[in-house]
Parts: sequence; C-alpha cells; structure tokens
Amino acid sequence: AQKITQTQPGMFVQEKEAVTLDCTYDTSDPSYGLFWYKQPSSGEMIFLIYQGSYDQQNATEGRYSLNFQKARKSANLVISASQLGDSAMYFCAMRETGGTSYGKLTFGQGTILTVHP
Amino acid sequence: EAGVAQSPRYKIIEKRQSVAFWCNPISGHATLYWYQQILGQGPKLLIQFQNNGVVDDSQLPKDRFSAERLKGVDSTLKIQPAKLEDSAVYLCASSLEPLWGSTDTQYFGPGTRLTVL
Repeated sequence: AQKITQTQPGMFVQEKEAVTLDCTYDTSDPSYGLFWYKQPSSGEMIFLIYQGSYDQQNATEGRYSLNFQKARKSANLVISASQLGDSAMYFCAMRETGGTSYGKLTFGQGTILTVHP
Repeated sequence: EAGVAQSPRYKIIEKRQSVAFWCNPISGHATLYWYQQILGQGPKLLIQFQNNGVVDDSQLPKDRFSAERLKGVDSTLKIQPAKLEDSAVYLCASSLEPLWGSTDTQYFGPGTRLTVL
C-alpha cells in the first residue's frame, strides 16, 4: 500500500491566486513528521514546511501553510498568492520514527504546479 | 551556511561501466542519505548513514551499488556495473538531529543526473 498519496499529477493556478496541493498518508506510527518539498526544473529539492504529528496547530511558513487533518490522515499544502516562480514539482513526504524506519523519508509521486500569468 | 554539495552534476556512461558520485553534507550534520529519483517519481532512499555507520541499506542493490562514509563527513556512492535502469537523479541529503528526533529536517543537494546508454 502507498504510504504517501498525491492524487493530483498536475495543477494549474492563476498568478496571485491560492492553490491547494493534496496529500494523504498511511502510518500506524503515533510519532511522525510530514514534509513538503519543492523541486524546480533545476532538480534540487527545497524544503518548504514541516508538520509534526503531535503539533496542535497547522504549520505556516510565509506563503505556505499546511492543512493538517490528523483523523483523515491528510496534510495538504496551501500556497497563497501564487507567483510565477512557484511553478515546480511539489512532493509530500513522511518521516516515521518508530520500528525499523530509522527516520527515512517516504515520498509521494509529486504534483506538477503551473502558475499562469 | 553552505548547503549540501554534490559532484558531478551530470554523468553519461555506457552500460556495464562504473561510476562514482560524491557528496559533502552540511557541516555538523551527522546523518547522510542517498536517494535515487527516477524520472516522474519521488525520491527513494538507497542508504542512510549515521556518522560513518550504515543505518539502513535495505533498498540498496548491493550486487552493483556500494557506498561509504569513512570519516563520518563526505560520502561516495558507486555503481559497478551500471545498467540502463540506473538512469536517474541521485540525490544526497543530510540532517542534524539524532535518528529519534521527529523534528529532523533533511536538506538536499543539487543531485547528479546519471544517463546510462
């Protein structure tokens, strides 16, 4: 079974609008972390935002916020006021801390975001 | 603060040849990861080091892939002999905190794009 599922292969948004990228996850570990990374065409993975499983509030980092719904096992990324430079591939990833996972990141398939002027 | 350094950025080889990639993590980061990212997919962990010891190499094809981190700082990943299906981007990442820290954030290098002909 997929541990991280990103159901949107591609998303389009108008510049200055907000966009939500979906991510659902599956784990039995009570302690885990959820990450979003941005990968532009240059290839580097840029860390955007982190949410811990015990965090009471949704994480925010500038224009990025994470809509964390623990009971539904979803961790959607919201980008407000989209910019042309936001066009990239976005990956959701989970870090489990129990068992033999040793904290490795498990990534979803990614969502390609295109921002139109 | 300098980020994760990787070299080379690009490599083209023929099948059955050997190739090596180098990674220098962020200063002070104890944990180092090598990921393989096949086109259109999310990164997949190949091997994880804590200082100079291997923590997880369960997904490393050990018949052809090897990695070392002798002094607990920089690392090399080798493929010998290469196959067509090894064409991918090889990403190195590092993180600061101990394995059991759920707030651990991995920072990635620019990657090495390998093409096997």
